[in-house]
Formats: sequence, C-alpha cells, structure tokens
Amino acid sequence: DGGITQSPKYLFRKEGQNVTLSCEQNLNHDAMYWYRQDPGQGLRLIYYSQIVNDFQKGDIAEGYSVSREKKESFPLTVTSAQKNPTAFYLCASSDTGPGDTQYFGPGTRLTVL
Amino acid sequence: GQQVMQIPQYQHVQEGEDFTTYCNSSTTLSNIQWYKQRPGGHPVFLIQLVKSGEVKKQKRLTFQFGEAKKNSSLHITATQTTDVGTYFCAGKTSGSRLTFGEGTQLTVNP
Repeated sequence: DGGITQSPKYLFRKEGQNVTLSCEQNLNHDAMYWYRQDPGQGLRLIYYSQIVNDFQKGDIAEGYSVSREKKESFPLTVTSAQKNPTAFYLCASSDTGPGDTQYFGPGTRLTVL
Repeated sequence: GQQVMQIPQYQHVQEGEDFTTYCNSSTTLSNIQWYKQRPGGHPVFLIQLVKSGEVKKQKRLTFQFGEAKKNSSLHITATQTTDVGTYFCAGKTSGSRLTFGEGTQLTVNP
C-alpha cells in the first residue's frame, strides 16, 4: 500500500517540552510538507523540502524545526519556543515540486497541557 | 505575497439544495486545485484546473476556472449528507508553491 503515515494520531505533552512528529512516505515523492491546522481554519505551511538535506521555511516556521535525511522521512519538531503548539499537524508529499498535487497523511493532533 | 481568498467560510444547506464556494487570487494562477477534508480527516485531492475558462465535472460537482485565471468555483448540485466537509482551493503561480485558501465548511441537514 502506497501512502503517507503519520504517528502518533494523538499526542499529549507538557508545556516546555520539545516533541517530534513523524512523517513517512513510500510514494517515492521528492517534495514533502508540514502544515498546521487550527479549528475551523485553513492550512498554514510550516516547512517544506524539495530534496534530501534541504528545506525551506513556510509561513509560520518560528518555533518549529525539521530535517530531511532520507527521501522517505520528514520529521517535525515542535520546540518549547512555539507559543501555541496545540493544533492538528498534517504532513503531505508531492511528486516533484511545491505546485504539484499534494497527498496528505492522516495527521497528528497535538495537545500541549 | 500570493493570497488566495475563499468564500463563504461556512455554508449550511438542506439536503437537496445546491452549494457553491468561490476562490479568488490576488495574482494570475498557473493552475488551481481543489481538495476536500471530511470531518476529522485529512485533505484529499479532487481536481486540478489549468486552462483559462476550463470547466470540469465529477458527477454532481462542477469546477470552473475563470477566464483571467484569478478565480475559480466549485458547485455541488443537489447536496447529499456525504458532501459534508471542508472544501479548499489551492492556487499556484508560476515558479511558486501552492497556496491554500481558508476553506469553506459545508454542513448538510438531512
């Protein structure tokens, strides 16, 4: 089965802790993305990567960090510097570049207590 | 930077009524994509429009791309409860990344 997996589905953390969200794809896509979605809101781009070992900031990168050491994996770390981290986080991938059709994972709902 | 505005933000309809959501860009787009997100789910790609004035249909859904390639619409005929969800447009300008609109959340009363 080809697709994007995100784990875990629900995540709870205490304030002040860093947390890493997993995203893996087996679609052989070059580009991967992280979005944040707040209740009743649209999708805001955090970071994206078009190639291994390279990534660019999106619209709301502050308080987040990413790595792209493998083509299949694009983990997102929500740091303690992120002032309001509770949200629904969606990972996506596309074949080549940022304008291609994007395929989304099931998302991780992060709650910071 | 590029902005994609989508209206309305919310729409409540009775089952069987029609529904339309509109997407407007501040700049000319090279293509526009539409996605649907069911409650509790993730966005799923529906369709892409590329040509000026293009119209595409998927069963009860009709997608249009404006002549100036700055606006688009999604029209659903005779809504069903299965149409519930949030519909997003996403526009791309030449050489740039995809920008998502804020979405239209559709509820259908049976």
